Amino acid sequence: GAVVSQHPSWVICKSGTSVKIECRSLDFQATTMFWYRQFPKQSLMLMATSNEGSKATYEQGVEKDKFLINHASLTLSTLTVTSAHPEDSSFYICSAGGQGTNQPQHFGDGTRLSIL
Amino acid sequence: GENVEQHPSTLSVQEGDSAVIKCTYSDSASNYFPWYKQELGKGPQLIIDIRSNVGEKKDQRIAVTLNKTAKHFSLHITETQPEDSAVYFCAASSYGNNRLAFGKGNQVVVIP
Repeated sequence: GAVVSQHPSWVICKSGTSVKIECRSLDFQATTMFWYRQFPKQSLMLMATSNEGSKATYEQGVEKDKFLINHASLTLSTLTVTSAHPEDSSFYICSAGGQGTNQPQHFGDGTRLSIL
Repeated sequence: GENVEQHPSTLSVQEGDSAVIKCTYSDSASNYFPWYKQELGKGPQLIIDIRSNVGEKKDQRIAVTLNKTAKHFSLHITETQPEDSAVYFCAASSYGNNRLAFGKGNQVVVIP
């Protein structure tokens, strides 16, 4: 149980395009999902908290107009990187936990985004 | 906010030996401490977690200990195997706040 699926796993696209990443909880409902960014050999950096049915909460320094988050259902959150540029290239990972506080968070397998 | 420190950054052990990774946290309100294993190119995988109402938890070759007074918790891997080689992250969160604060990670290398 507690499987989180992330799609796509790898994206290569031209500068200026927008890229959408999906995060699905396959066998449980998640009122909250999290989006992280990870640079090589570094820890996970929380970008935003995605709340079902409401606006996402962004961490300081993360541009909300650049990284659009939608959490339309209890099993799906999407992250759209708008007008992507080479500096947006990174490993993006989502996580989801069950309903309630301090429930274990389970991660997707990440999306490797490369902007040319 | 919560600050989690993780040591050492790299750990090499001989196959069959034990590995111990220690983390310290700053916020005394933190009460949930998970450990994640991340293999190259994959997302972190939850391997064990502990809550502040217990001092130790074990799952086969993996155990976690928590010292609330000293604000540190440790991951113990016994009888290490090559497939244990990965990056391990500790994290902490407090009641009512599902946001996890992660340590910087520890590269564990098990030498066959």
